[in-house]
Amino acid sequence: DAKTTQPPSMDCAEGRAANLPCNHSTISGNEYVYWYRQIHSQGPQYIIHGLKNNETNEMASLIITEDRKSSTLILPHATLRDTAVYYCIVRLSDTGGFKTIFGAGTRLFVKA
Amino acid sequence: NAGVMQNPRHLVRRRGQEARLRCSPMKGHSHVYWYRQLPEEGLKFMVYLQKENIIDESGMPKERFSAEFPKEGPSILRIQQVVRGDSAAYFCASSQLPWDSLNTEAFFGQGTRLTVV
Repeated sequence: DAKTTQPPSMDCAEGRAANLPCNHSTISGNEYVYWYRQIHSQGPQYIIHGLKNNETNEMASLIITEDRKSSTLILPHATLRDTAVYYCIVRLSDTGGFKTIFGAGTRLFVKA
Repeated sequence: NAGVMQNPRHLVRRRGQEARLRCSPMKGHSHVYWYRQLPEEGLKFMVYLQKENIIDESGMPKERFSAEFPKEGPSILRIQQVVRGDSAAYFCASSQLPWDSLNTEAFFGQGTRLTVV
């Protein structure tokens, strides 16, 4: 699986959009970008995934650059409950999702 | 529909004792996965089970650790003769289909925090 690079931490004001970047310059053509988050003391939670098109669901939007070397997770109106560690992961869609490696991620602090 | 239930939430064991961690998957889910998270580290895959079968145990330590998912009842992660280095948060996840299919995701429990004293 391709390696990802994320900033270790970010701050965001409550009610504003949180934009979390991720670099995955070695991504291959059939690898997907997945985002998860882990709120303190809980298990990881799936947020969204995409291949090349931008995706949106009830939790967030995922913007993938045209060359697919980077992506941004957008939480449109961050709340205090969005404070968590966010993981950007690149993997094949049909290979060992259960072996997903959750690395350091980005610690997002949403402040009132 | 209750989520993935793990118990106990906190477990304290003395060195040399046995620890038994339980995981009840979401209703209708027959695939269970166990993970370990050391303090300030990411989750590490341990084992994947599907009712009565171990599918992948490549992340399990070779000794003292075992897992089962019987036909009836929760999945059990068992750690024999615990040592201080076993202190960690243990999470389980479950999925309806194998978690290696597009558009299939797993749901995690709240974890069991094991402390070995």
